[in-house]
Amino acid sequence: DAGVIQSPRHEVTEMGQEVTLRCKPISGHNSLFWYRQTMMRGLELLIYFNNNVPIDDSGMPEDRFSAKMPNASFSTLKIQPSEPRDSAVYFCASGRSALSSGNTIYFGEGSWLTVV
Amino acid sequence: SQQGEEDPQALSIQEGENATMNCSYKTSINNLQWYRQNSGRGLVHLILIRSNEREKHSGRLRVTLDTSKKSSSLLITASRAADTASYFCATDYGGSQGNLIFGKGTKLSVKP
Repeated sequence: DAGVIQSPRHEVTEMGQEVTLRCKPISGHNSLFWYRQTMMRGLELLIYFNNNVPIDDSGMPEDRFSAKMPNASFSTLKIQPSEPRDSAVYFCASGRSALSSGNTIYFGEGSWLTVV
Repeated sequence: SQQGEEDPQALSIQEGENATMNCSYKTSINNLQWYRQNSGRGLVHLILIRSNEREKHSGRLRVTLDTSKKSSSLLITASRAADTASYFCATDYGGSQGNLIFGKGTKLSVKP
């Protein structure tokens, strides 16, 4: 099992540039989550999908952030334009719905974003 | 916020000692999970306890859940230097699809 695969692992970009983070969930999982981790705010849920449909995007900070899941094996998180305060580690995770049935989620290794 | 809160924020112990971390939450849950994060890595699931369970074991891990107090504890017995990591509780509040809300974690340091 390949696990959740994220790319890029590290990215340094200039303020104002567009950033696209990519995620390939574990095959057979139909829930996908994007989290952001910072020292100040901890791990925040940005958005989650079930069967490729966005279920809850209330954690998306603002319109500069957008996420898509065009198919069951791929998702993107885009920031346009990026700002220094977006610097964080962005995690993608996947799982089998429903979590309330006792399923767990599996995290990728994260994308470390620095906006200068 | 429904976010769980871990306590303490940081814990430093000697190898061989037991480590206890606590988690409190605010509303009824379906289950509570504990995850571990090594520095620079993603989170890894450790153990899940359902709302109708009071205690669960997995190797050197023991998790308890007190739904009346809305709290959980994670005990790591006979700690090792390799247990050094951050530990997070995550609460599943249910709903049609469900999602996990993570606390800010306890940073555990086990000194050899």
